[in-house]
Amino acid sequence: DVKVTQSSRYLVKRTGEKVFLECVQDMDHENMFWYRQDPGLGLRLIYFSYDVKMKEKGDIPEGYSVSREKKERFSLILESASTNQTSMYLCASRYPGTSGRNEQFFGPGTRLTVL
Amino acid sequence: KNQVEQSPQSLIILEGKNCTLQCNYTVSPFSNLRWYKQDTGRGPVSLTIMTFSENTKSNGRYTATLDADTKQSSLHITASQLSDSASYICVVSRGNAGNMLTFGGGTRLMVKP
Repeated sequence: DVKVTQSSRYLVKRTGEKVFLECVQDMDHENMFWYRQDPGLGLRLIYFSYDVKMKEKGDIPEGYSVSREKKERFSLILESASTNQTSMYLCASRYPGTSGRNEQFFGPGTRLTVL
Repeated sequence: KNQVEQSPQSLIILEGKNCTLQCNYTVSPFSNLRWYKQDTGRGPVSLTIMTFSENTKSNGRYTATLDADTKQSSLHITASQLSDSASYICVVSRGNAGNMLTFGGGTRLMVKP
């Protein structure tokens, strides 16, 4: 079974703090993704990575950066947290394929509250 | 604009009853459509996937249909159980490799005893 784990289930930070969200997958997947999920808006892609040290902006990258130094680990960084970044953050990984049928496997999510 | 719209936003049914969730999309070029189930406090888990040529796919008590002409999909749940209480998310892959995903806002289903 694919396992995607996230470092924290719940996190509370203050405005202006630097925040690190960690994601680890154990299936040697090349592709990894960070999403945020907000009520009524669905999941929105923040950043994704095709492979180690590679990153691409998603639909809402502003205010975020990422790091992929090792294949199994994909980190989301909030350089200076703001209250509008309060959200559920979901990490996913996938083995790449040209058909696009390959499933994205999601972690349990981190609920971040910025005060 | 690539969009996926789901209805209803929320639904309450009694245990044992059937229900149908709807998904309309305007994603192009279409690659495939998945239904995910997301339990509270957990990440989404894939239930079914359908490509352009598939118009129905079953997974136990879950049956998904796809009408590529009208760009509509439905998820039918038969003989609902309390464990079906969750959010159901319709996700459409676009692009030639199907790598870009557009997510619907989800339908929150509550099954009551």
